[in-house]
Amino acid sequence: IAGITQAPTSQILAAGRRMTLRCTQDMRHNAMYWYRQDLGLGLRLIHYSNTAGTTGKGEVPDGYSVSRANTDDFPLTLASAVPSQTSVYFCASSDNRGPGYGYTFGSGTRLTVV
Amino acid sequence: GESVGLHLPTLSVQEGDNSIINCAYSNSASDYFIWYKQESGKGPQFIIDIRSNMDKRQGQRVTVLLNKTVKHLSLQIAATQPGDSAVYFCAEMNGGSNYKLTFGKGTLLTVNP
Repeated sequence: IAGITQAPTSQILAAGRRMTLRCTQDMRHNAMYWYRQDLGLGLRLIHYSNTAGTTGKGEVPDGYSVSRANTDDFPLTLASAVPSQTSVYFCASSDNRGPGYGYTFGSGTRLTVV
Repeated sequence: GESVGLHLPTLSVQEGDNSIINCAYSNSASDYFIWYKQESGKGPQFIIDIRSNMDKRQGQRVTVLLNKTVKHLSLQIAATQPGDSAVYFCAEMNGGSNYKLTFGKGTLLTVNP
């Protein structure tokens, strides 16, 4: 089934530990995105990638890094987790030929930093 | 910075009634808008979109209205069903912004049987 796969679905992480959230899409979309969702704040963009080999910062990039070695994968890394990074993380992808081309979200990773 | 907001954070309706969810946006350069539905424990799901050169678009039981003069967007759901209970988000996009979406904070729709 075409779509976005995120892993893990949930994780409890000790503060100070490193963690990588995985995201894979099989739709051959050029662009990929990472959002975090917090109650009362909606979805906020962390990082994005318009095409393999390029990345950019979103609204809340501090404490996160991404890489885009190929079209399908867009991992998000927390180098040293802090409790304020407790959130639900959503990966998304789109065909950036233009607006309206298949902006799709994954099912999310629920991360708790203790 | 630019923002997209919602007038009503919660909306409760009776099954069979029509629902209207409102959204205000502030970026006059936004040229594309999307409504998403998010059920508990799931990712946002595309409902309907509209481009800035349109003022109305209809889908199955849903209609989106865009008023660029007052920067207002609404989602109308006809004959609301219990399965429509979810959080609804509007999102805006500026085609010159690398197609990044800016989301509103969401409206919780509860459908009472």
